[in-house]
Amino acid sequence: EIVMTQSPATLSVSPGERATLSCRASQSVSSNLAWYQQKPGQAPRLLIYGASTRATGIPARFSGSGSGTEFTLTISSLQSEDFAVYYCQQYNNWPPGRTFGQGTKVEIK
Amino acid sequence: EVQLVESGGGLVKPGGSLRLSCAASGFTFSSYSMNWVRQAPGKGLEWVSSISSSSSYIYYADSVKGRFTISRDNAKNSLYLQMNSLRAEDTAVYYCARDPEATAGTIFDYWGQGTLVTVSS
Repeated sequence: EIVMTQSPATLSVSPGERATLSCRASQSVSSNLAWYQQKPGQAPRLLIYGASTRATGIPARFSGSGSGTEFTLTISSLQSEDFAVYYCQQYNNWPPGRTFGQGTKVEIK
Repeated sequence: EVQLVESGGGLVKPGGSLRLSCAASGFTFSSYSMNWVRQAPGKGLEWVSSISSSSSYIYYADSVKGRFTISRDNAKNSLYLQMNSLRAEDTAVYYCARDPEATAGTIFDYWGQGTLVTVSS
């Protein structure tokens, strides 16, 4: 099973600042990597797929990069609605499964 | 507008059974694979099971294999998860999620609001 490791666990950022979240795979997943945002009490929302393609309706301040085993989600200028938990997910090793990282919480500094 | 609405969660004793349902609307249900993803309280996301658009391909996480059964009824635009031999560690919010591919195995592009399953004596 491919293990996805996200860092840091918690990121404290001031509104308007840039946030950089990392995701590492235990083996190459090519560009088969997605990012999701989850706010408290809500379902996850797809942000990025194919490592760098924004999903429908996602603002341009969200960008993804990377391939192989190292990936980054960047939020260029944090808005109040961006404080949430972010998960990466690989879909290269299918079947047997799709695996998620443990999440990075972006909180207000 | 794509909508996924789960139902059927609740409190069940260890060893018991529960059947979850997911009603889909706003898209051609029969063209997409569907999934169940769960989230234990305060924890991260865990993929549980997938079913292809025509039910030809079905997959389970090792943690639920042999206990859970996924199915769908394309005529009713509905997805199901039959959960047997439930354990305390199955306690979670269960989300229904769509996969944009017919054969399953990629991303989860739309999610329902989730239904809570609590396994406790």
